[in-house]
Amino acid sequence: GAGVSQSPRYKVAKRGQDVALRCDPISGHVSLFWYQQALGQGPEFLTYFQNEAQLDKSGLPSDRFFAERPEGSVSTLKIQRTQQEDSAVYLCASSLDQRGWDEQFFGPGTRLTVL
Amino acid sequence: AQKVTQAQTEISVVEKEDVTLDCVYETRDTTYYLFWYKQPPSGELVFLIRRNSFDEQNEISGRYSWNFQKSTSSFNFTITASQVVDSAVYFCALTIPNTDKLIFGTGTRLQVFP
Repeated sequence: GAGVSQSPRYKVAKRGQDVALRCDPISGHVSLFWYQQALGQGPEFLTYFQNEAQLDKSGLPSDRFFAERPEGSVSTLKIQRTQQEDSAVYLCASSLDQRGWDEQFFGPGTRLTVL
Repeated sequence: AQKVTQAQTEISVVEKEDVTLDCVYETRDTTYYLFWYKQPPSGELVFLIRRNSFDEQNEISGRYSWNFQKSTSSFNFTITASQVVDSAVYFCALTIPNTDKLIFGTGTRLQVFP
């Protein structure tokens, strides 16, 4: 079956531009996660949805970052007024159930480069 | 606070060698879950294993084996008879119930040369 998909795969933005990154989770998966992975580092948690409810956004680095999942399926991560330090790979993951220890299935990521 | 340490930044081996990737974790919680993920050059993280804190039995899956030792807070991963296709970055991760998020280590890049 289809896995987690993300688009675009690559995004180049000029500093100050707004960007929107899309995640299509595996159909029927309740939980959806966003992570940020800087070069040479492990993924770092940004935010978590259970269906359409955003239950944890403690990892969002600033109020320029905003995520939504309005119908409990597709999710969008928006970054306003991008800065160079936002350059990273943004990973989306989904899991079947709402338990935190379920296996998370990851997408291929969106590599964001801010010039 | 929770933390995962992977002290080995990069390991290079020749095919057929055995290799062990180290993972040390920190948590004050008595219930927690440990994971290993593989990240090949394509970038997509691939789940390898999950263990809970109450199950210290070692596990073997083909050429892969995992050694979980609570006494040393370690969850090490061994690849036996490594192959070129094992070349990837391997991440150890930790989660505790009701927090939902995975805490990742910084990863170990494994290069297997023919």
